[in-house]
Amino acid sequence: NAGVTQTPKFQVLKTGQSMTLQCAQDMNHNSMYWYRQDPGMGLRLIYYSASEGTTDKGEVPNGYNVSRLNKREFSLRLESAAPSQTSVYFCASSEEAQGRYEQYFGPGTRLTVT
Amino acid sequence: QQQVKQSPQSLIVQKGGISIINCAYENTAFDYFPWYQQFPGKGPALLIAIRPDVSEKKEGRFTISFNKSAKQFSLHIMDSQPGDSATYFCAAAYSSNTGKLIFGQGTTLQVKP
Repeated sequence: NAGVTQTPKFQVLKTGQSMTLQCAQDMNHNSMYWYRQDPGMGLRLIYYSASEGTTDKGEVPNGYNVSRLNKREFSLRLESAAPSQTSVYFCASSEEAQGRYEQYFGPGTRLTVT
Repeated sequence: QQQVKQSPQSLIVQKGGISIINCAYENTAFDYFPWYQQFPGKGPALLIAIRPDVSEKKEGRFTISFNKSAKQFSLHIMDSQPGDSATYFCAAAYSSNTGKLIFGQGTTLQVKP
């Protein structure tokens, strides 16, 4: 089992460029999440998907869009990148088991917008 | 609005000492409180979690203490080791909300040999 995989690992964009961050999980989880991590800010939820075909906004959704392509894949798109979107992006998946929701995180994508 | 507040931001402890990280929450609907550990260059991973029906949970050297009336919970790392050097995040969730977690700001722990 690979768990949660993310591509790319690193990316540099110019302001105004677009890109899609890919995420896939092989644990058959229903729920998937996209977070951004910034120093001193913790992990902030961008979007999440409770099941295939559904998505919902998190705490910081502005400037992002998502697609839950199927149960395995959940992508994050930046339509017009801005320097404020420089961050480390994590994808996660989870499933409820006996009242606990363990989220499994991918290795992250480090994005720099110049 | 920061629903989960974590302190301190950074912590230096000598090998063998006790590391203590604190979190406070606002929403009394929260009923699941995990701690995540993150090593540099890696994604966070679940370390230990507690529900509010118990006041303490211990797994090896890691203990969560939970104070429901004060809306606070803390992570204690006993006999801290250099390999524990990492960033620790507390979080909170309510079960009816598909497990969506609200994270604290994180604490960077350095354990000196």
